[in-house]
Amino acid sequence: AQSVAQPEDQVNVAEGNPLTVKCTYSVSGNPYLFWYVQYPNRGLQFLLKYITGDNLVKGSYGFEAEFNKSQTSFHLKKPSALVSDSALYFCAVSSYSSASKIIFGSGTRLSIRP
Amino acid sequence: GAVVSQHPSRVICKSGTSVKIECRSLDFQATTMFWYRQFPKQSLMLMATSNEGSKATYEQGVEKDKFLINHASLTLSTLTVTSAHPEDSSFYICSARVSSGLAYEQYFGPGTRLTVT
Repeated sequence: AQSVAQPEDQVNVAEGNPLTVKCTYSVSGNPYLFWYVQYPNRGLQFLLKYITGDNLVKGSYGFEAEFNKSQTSFHLKKPSALVSDSALYFCAVSSYSSASKIIFGSGTRLSIRP
Repeated sequence: GAVVSQHPSRVICKSGTSVKIECRSLDFQATTMFWYRQFPKQSLMLMATSNEGSKATYEQGVEKDKFLINHASLTLSTLTVTSAHPEDSSFYICSARVSSGLAYEQYFGPGTRLTVT
């Protein structure tokens, strides 16, 4: 069975500082990894995905994530946080062997203070 | 880009009634669609996998007689919450997998907020 862990319920960062939102996963076979963002009372917005290739993936709004196979991690990063980045972030995993089911982590609330 | 719509965006119904939620892939065909529910301030929980022309596959703990799924065409899946109760109040989100695409090509709908009074 596949699973995703987001160990931090909340991350607080000052505007302009770098941010990291952590994610580790467990899956049979090669993972497909995703990050989504959700604003209050809204649906999911896709940020980025890792399927294969370069371990560093760049996505929307200046976000990037690094796939680390040995640590089974896929942490989300941004060099300089904006107040508008404050939202709920979900890491998710899928695989070819899982019949395309996408399983979500518990979510991390990112709060950027001015 | 690929767009998935859901209708209605929000619905309020009385306890004991049934509510139908539609999920449509607007510009692509989707053999497989997925239904999730999200409680306030919680994660998305996969409820079921909907396959066009066949029975849905439900995740463990999801009552198939309560959450009826129909995937009658390549662009439409419906979720019917039967005999709804207040505990069914939740945010329901669907996703659609591109039929001719790779396993990871899925797109999410904007969600439907169900409130049962």
